[in-house]
Amino acid sequence: EVQLVESGGGLVQPGGSLKLSCAASGFTFSGSPMHWVRLASGKGLEWVGRIRSKADNYATAYPASVKGRFTISRDDSKNTAYLQMNSLRTEDTAVYYCTRQAIGDLFVSWGQGTLVTVSS
Amino acid sequence: SYVLTQPPSVSVAPGKTARITCGGNNIGSKSVHWYQQKPGQAPVLVVYDDSDRPSGIPERFSGSNSGNTATLTISRGEAGDEADYYCQVWDSSSDHWVFGGGTKLTVL
Repeated sequence: EVQLVESGGGLVQPGGSLKLSCAASGFTFSGSPMHWVRLASGKGLEWVGRIRSKADNYATAYPASVKGRFTISRDDSKNTAYLQMNSLRTEDTAVYYCTRQAIGDLFVSWGQGTLVTVSS
Repeated sequence: SYVLTQPPSVSVAPGKTARITCGGNNIGSKSVHWYQQKPGQAPVLVVYDDSDRPSGIPERFSGSNSGNTATLTISRGEAGDEADYYCQVWDSSSDHWVFGGGTKLTVL
């Protein structure tokens, strides 16, 4: 059974940093591109970024809203993906999900999400 | 950047058919995926590659995609179908993944 478990969410002040983790099991993590997606209260799903596998040089991509502030990384030896969030803003408050990209460009498995609250 | 446009809300009577649209420039040339999300839960894939269903998703869920509009059709609507629905594509020109704004389906 595929499992994705996020952790590391919490309350942080504007301008602060936070690092989320996504522990994966039940599939070949090292070969899977991994993404982060967020859901802010009253808003829709927003793609936060992607990291490819070692075979694709761990290439990353980010939308303009987080580029330069957020960094995705992975440790294939630990079957874990990470989302480092710096210079956090109140508008980054959301539930953050990690998700596995299936063959093609769809998201086939999701974690339960972790809440990040940016507030003073 | 590529934009997907969904109606904010759709209502359907129990037993009737709901259609949720997703508009985008020449979206018919892309593969469209649909997710269902209920409050407090993670999204669930209900249709992929325009019209295919993952295992475990009822045949009542179907999809189509042509021109500038993709459509998710939910037949014989049930109370349990109440949720937010999102369309999603990959924009190859930017290597970005894009979600529509989401549609809240109400069964009443």
